[in-house]
Amino acid sequence: EPEVTQTPSHQVTQMGQEVILRCVPISNHLYFYWYRQILGQKVEFLVSFYNNEISEKSEIFDDQFSVERPDGSNFTLKIRSTKLEDSAMYFCASSARQDYNSPLHFGNGTRLTVT
Amino acid sequence: KQEVTQIPAALSVPEGENLVLNCSFTDSAIYNLQWFRQDPGKGLTSLLLIQSSQREQTSGRLNASLDKSSGRSTLYIAASQPGDSATYLCAVRWNSGGSNYKLTFGKGTLLTVNP
Repeated sequence: EPEVTQTPSHQVTQMGQEVILRCVPISNHLYFYWYRQILGQKVEFLVSFYNNEISEKSEIFDDQFSVERPDGSNFTLKIRSTKLEDSAMYFCASSARQDYNSPLHFGNGTRLTVT
Repeated sequence: KQEVTQIPAALSVPEGENLVLNCSFTDSAIYNLQWFRQDPGKGLTSLLLIQSSQREQTSGRLNASLDKSSGRSTLYIAASQPGDSATYLCAVRWNSGGSNYKLTFGKGTLLTVNP
């Protein structure tokens, strides 16, 4: 069964550094998402992306965050200058084209630790 | 504010027992509701998606119901097994306020099935 893949599984970075989290969504999906889960808290929506532009973003997704689909397969989340509070598990997800009632398929996540 | 609540936060049952997990949501104008399973340190696995027009969905030993008017969904697990031990998350996609893309998650129910 097709799946969403994320790399790396774990990334450690120092405060103030830039990080790029990478995702390969399911190949025939055109809606892409990033969510995050701070340890012990709810999974939170960050951003949705469709047709090469952001469809919606949460208040968490400030100017320090950006997303990009640099080629036909990858979907990336960049944090420009990481803060301690950015430490979390970041999940990429995708869903099928033009079908809002398709389930979201999530990757296994990247655990980001900011020291 | 649109919120999702899950009760109980944790549940421990002996193997073989039938059990029910509860999810409640504010604002009945939902698009769909999705149940996920999350294993420790892992991603989210989609279990069932119920569209707003549906009352229930079944997959194997799992049955999810939806009552929009009361703002509730339940996940019924029949004949529980130790392999069912995980955190179960409920997530709602609302169709109001222009937000058609994001899921709002509950905090989850941690299920432990004892052999």
